[in-house]
Amino acid sequence: RKEVEQDPGPFNVPEGATVAFNCTYSNSASQSFFWYRQDCRKEPKLLMSVYSSGNEDGRFTAQLNRASQYISLLIRDSKLSDSATYLCVVTSFSGTYKYIFGTGTRLKVLA
Amino acid sequence: ETGVTQSPTHLIKTRGQQVTLRCSSQSGHNTVSWYQQALGQGPQFIFQYYREEENGRGNFPPRFSGLQFPNYSSELNVNALELDDSALYLCASSPGGQAGVAYNEQFFGPGTRLTVL
Repeated sequence: RKEVEQDPGPFNVPEGATVAFNCTYSNSASQSFFWYRQDCRKEPKLLMSVYSSGNEDGRFTAQLNRASQYISLLIRDSKLSDSATYLCVVTSFSGTYKYIFGTGTRLKVLA
Repeated sequence: ETGVTQSPTHLIKTRGQQVTLRCSSQSGHNTVSWYQQALGQGPQFIFQYYREEENGRGNFPPRFSGLQFPNYSSELNVNALELDDSALYLCASSPGGQAGVAYNEQFFGPGTRLTVL
């Protein structure tokens, strides 16, 4: 089993739709969680950190469920510019550092 | 732009050769991580350097090695290249200290695309 798993998609949604991605992780000692966005042939860029209480940034909402070991990302009112690959990241530090990316979920927002 | 730079942008090598990739971290960042991203996959953590010491390592063989310099720039060296080493190699810097590194956002450079023939 992979340490961090995501549905690879692609998710094809119309403009204005709401779309949700989930990401599960296997290490219960994981400490920090992030969502990154990666455009085609570009480097990943931080979209948002994920906090235990959940957090929102404009149209984006991130949730963490430690008991079930998953994080989620909700995008409301999808824009064409949201088309990208969304990578979840899980980190842990116990003497040595680990920063684990999921394989990413591709989103395509259609006009 | 993140302020993280990598060189070269593209590189073609043949099997068995050795390669050195370079990364300059963002100003004020003392931690550098290296990742390998194969086509259609997420970045795979190779290792991390904090203040010139290796601070963590993923599941990569010893022929993947690195260095961090006093100015916090870094090199990734790969010996005895194999065809499967063809990938985008990403460097990321962060401002974190050793114990707190896992909590910090990482800023990625544009990557070096390595092709092994």
